[in-house]
Amino acid sequence: DGGITQSPKYLFRKEGQNVTLSCEQNLNHDAMYWYRQDPGQGLRLIYYSQIVNDFQKGDIAEGYSVSREKKESFPLTVTSAQKNPTAFYLCASSSQGNSNQPQHFGDGTRLSIL
Amino acid sequence: GNSVTQMEGPVTLSEEAFLTINCTYTATGYPSLFWYVQYPGEGLQLLLKATKADDKGSNKGFEATYRKETTSFHLEKGSVQVSDSAVYFCALGFTGGGNKLTFGTGTQLKVEL
Repeated sequence: DGGITQSPKYLFRKEGQNVTLSCEQNLNHDAMYWYRQDPGQGLRLIYYSQIVNDFQKGDIAEGYSVSREKKESFPLTVTSAQKNPTAFYLCASSSQGNSNQPQHFGDGTRLSIL
Repeated sequence: GNSVTQMEGPVTLSEEAFLTINCTYTATGYPSLFWYVQYPGEGLQLLLKATKADDKGSNKGFEATYRKETTSFHLEKGSVQVSDSAVYFCALGFTGGGNKLTFGTGTQLKVEL
């Protein structure tokens, strides 16, 4: 079945540590997205990528980094510069450039601080 | 900028009750509008969408009509079930510019027997 796979489901970070969240899709979608979800705040866009080897900052990119070396993969690194990383992180993908096509979401990674 | 406003939850209903979750938006131009649903511990799933004014999106008994004059996209269902308990997100998007979505804050629905 086609879909988006996020791993791990739960992740713990120590102070000063970088952690990387995995996102893989087999939908052949060009565009991929990372969102952060906090209680009562909905989803906020961290980074997005419309094509391989290109990505843009979203609304809350500080303290995060991404790469897009392959069409099917869009990993997110939460760096030590992100002072409040505890949240639920969602990855999504969509066909390129057409708002009629919805975004498809993975099941998320819950990140907590040790 | 673009924004989406949803009614605050939680909304608690008895099974078979009528559901309305209000959603209004602010945008320059004419976006596509979406309702997504999130079950506990999961990602979001598309529930329905509408791409132009007066379109009605529908799925699984839920429906919403794109009202340009009131900039609204209210979600309705005639008879809710316990299995409809989830968080519902209204969102808007534009073609181009990365096809980014702007989400509302979500409305939690609890359906009781």
